[in-house]
Amino acid sequence: DGGITQSPKYLFRKEGQNVTLSCEQNLNHDAMYWYRQDPGQGLRLIYYSQIVNDFQKGDIAEGYSVSREKKESFPLTVTSAQKNPTAFYLCASSITGRIVAKNIQYFGAGTRLSVL
Amino acid sequence: GIQVEQSPPDLILQEGANSTLRCNFSDSVNNLQWFHQNPWGQLINLFYIPSGTKQNGRLSATTVATERYSLLYISSSQTTDSGVYFCAVELQGGSEKLVFGKGTKLTVNP
Repeated sequence: DGGITQSPKYLFRKEGQNVTLSCEQNLNHDAMYWYRQDPGQGLRLIYYSQIVNDFQKGDIAEGYSVSREKKESFPLTVTSAQKNPTAFYLCASSITGRIVAKNIQYFGAGTRLSVL
Repeated sequence: GIQVEQSPPDLILQEGANSTLRCNFSDSVNNLQWFHQNPWGQLINLFYIPSGTKQNGRLSATTVATERYSLLYISSSQTTDSGVYFCAVELQGGSEKLVFGKGTKLTVNP
């Protein structure tokens, strides 16, 4: 099946702990994105990557880190510096981040992160 | 930055009713997408519609780019249409970032 796979579906973080959320896509898309959704709110952009080995901060990057070593993978680390990490995290990809008219984003099923 | 406002914030319908959801945006855009978020959180693309009109079954959308708004029409609503509908736009000029509205929560009762 072609698509975007996020894992795990649920994740619990202890105080002071870093946790990593996985996002893998087999759509051969160039661009990948991480969003955060709080209850009753829209999505806010954390980080995005238009191409391998390159990424840019979104609107709420503080307390998060990413890497893009492979085209298929864009993991997000929620660090201990993120004081309010409880949220629903969504990963997306699009065929290209460079030709903006083609920036149709497709989403994974999400990861729910809670603090213990 | 660009502002995206959706209305109404909440909508309750009886099955079979029609509805119109609105998305206003504050600046010229390259890209506008409508999404449906189901009760499990999955976002499903409904339309990519920076301008013009498109139809897909009971759903249709119209974007009037010159007046900076888009409308999503749902006809003969079904209980499976329940969820949150989001409008997202990308600012003209190549920012490659989608900005989301806060959504319209639709509940369709049997």
